[in-house]
Amino acid sequence: DTGVSQDPRHKITKRGQNVTFRCDPISEHNRLYWYRQTLGQGPEFLTYFQNEAQLEKSRLLSDRFSAERPKGSFSTLEIQRTEQGDSAMYLCASSLLASNTGELFFGEGSRLTVL
Amino acid sequence: QKEVEQNSGPLSVPEGAIASLNCTYSDRGSQSFFWYRQYSGKSPELIMFIYSNGDKEDGRFTAQLNKASQYVSLLIRDSQPSDSATYLCAVTNFGNEKLTFGTGTRLTIIP
Repeated sequence: DTGVSQDPRHKITKRGQNVTFRCDPISEHNRLYWYRQTLGQGPEFLTYFQNEAQLEKSRLLSDRFSAERPKGSFSTLEIQRTEQGDSAMYLCASSLLASNTGELFFGEGSRLTVL
Repeated sequence: QKEVEQNSGPLSVPEGAIASLNCTYSDRGSQSFFWYRQYSGKSPELIMFIYSNGDKEDGRFTAQLNKASQYVSLLIRDSQPSDSATYLCAVTNFGNEKLTFGTGTRLTIIP
């Protein structure tokens, strides 16, 4: 499978714990995005990378959130001291900078439940 | 005012009819416009994109863009039950920059 893969698909944690999600983009894609989606809402932009550089972070991304893409390939999104409001689907997407469509290819998401 | 607004629905359309989905955006600098389809519990997938004013057709789908009115729509002809999903409108200012999504319109095709 050469699509975007995310791990884990589901995570249940207690409030106050730290969680980390991993995203492996399509191999030749140089842009990688993180979005968060709650029930009944569209995906909300969190941050994106071009290669290893983090180019933009949303105001939604509090200090408890950190994302990395150390070698310009896979990325991790860490949430520290989780809160119940962090419960959501975390979507990763990738794209090719040179693409003429601007299409983002999404992974299946990592669903977080904070108890 | 939200950057991208969609009528949240739900929208119910009989099988075989035309489904019309609407979207408005607030940033006049928006240049690229996308429609994504999201089945329940699945990730979004691209249906169509449009950059220029006017209509763009792809099979049963037609995207319409009016930059002066800051309006983009998606028409689905000969609606099928498999079209039942949430449709997300998304815009971006530059090619391949971040997409800003609307809240989505839930569409149900009634057999």
